[in-house]
Amino acid sequence: GQSLEQPSEVTAVEGAIVQINCTYQTSGFYGLSWYQQHDGGAPTFLSYNALDGLEETGRFSSFLSRSDSYGYLLLQELQMKDSASYFCAVSNYGQNFVFGPGTRLSVLP
Amino acid sequence: DSGVTQTPKHLITATGQRVTLRCSPRSGDLSVYWYQQSLDQGLQFLIQYYNGEERAKGNILERFSAQQFPDLHSELNLSSLELGDSALYFCASSVEGQTGELFFGEGSRLTVL
Repeated sequence: GQSLEQPSEVTAVEGAIVQINCTYQTSGFYGLSWYQQHDGGAPTFLSYNALDGLEETGRFSSFLSRSDSYGYLLLQELQMKDSASYFCAVSNYGQNFVFGPGTRLSVLP
Repeated sequence: DSGVTQTPKHLITATGQRVTLRCSPRSGDLSVYWYQQSLDQGLQFLIQYYNGEERAKGNILERFSAQQFPDLHSELNLSSLELGDSALYFCASSVEGQTGELFFGEGSRLTVL
């Protein structure tokens, strides 16, 4: 089977940096994706790692270590609008995506 | 706008009833996925189709079924509904190849009374 773990909640202040970790167990792993979901909205894609290392997209970066079955999402220069739930998702060779339980990020003024 | 269309946006029905949720993927996307999200919960994978064929199945109940039609739209059928089936049902589509990106529709919110 497949399982993913994320912290349930993270709180930070505006302008700060926050890291959301994700550990996974899966067979046929291909890549790790990150999604953002605001309350009542649809998940939207943020980042994807298929190879070890860091991917940077603006204020967001994502990291993957395949040997450790671990990744993280790094959010810099936090803004109030970043308050949302963040999900990691593993994909396999069949492009099947399984999502983690999600991390609720609260950004305080 | 992701380009994925889901209907209806809201649906209220009674226990024991049957409903059909519809999804039109982005133009050109061959893969369609269905996810269930209960209140304050994660996204539970239900089923995946690729070009009309079932590719992967998750924790989909036997009371639920789905199919993808030749025009690539998909339908999720939920029958013998129970209170616990109340949730947001998302459809997503993806391009061919490993991009890691799913495009989600706005979801269909089902309320079972």
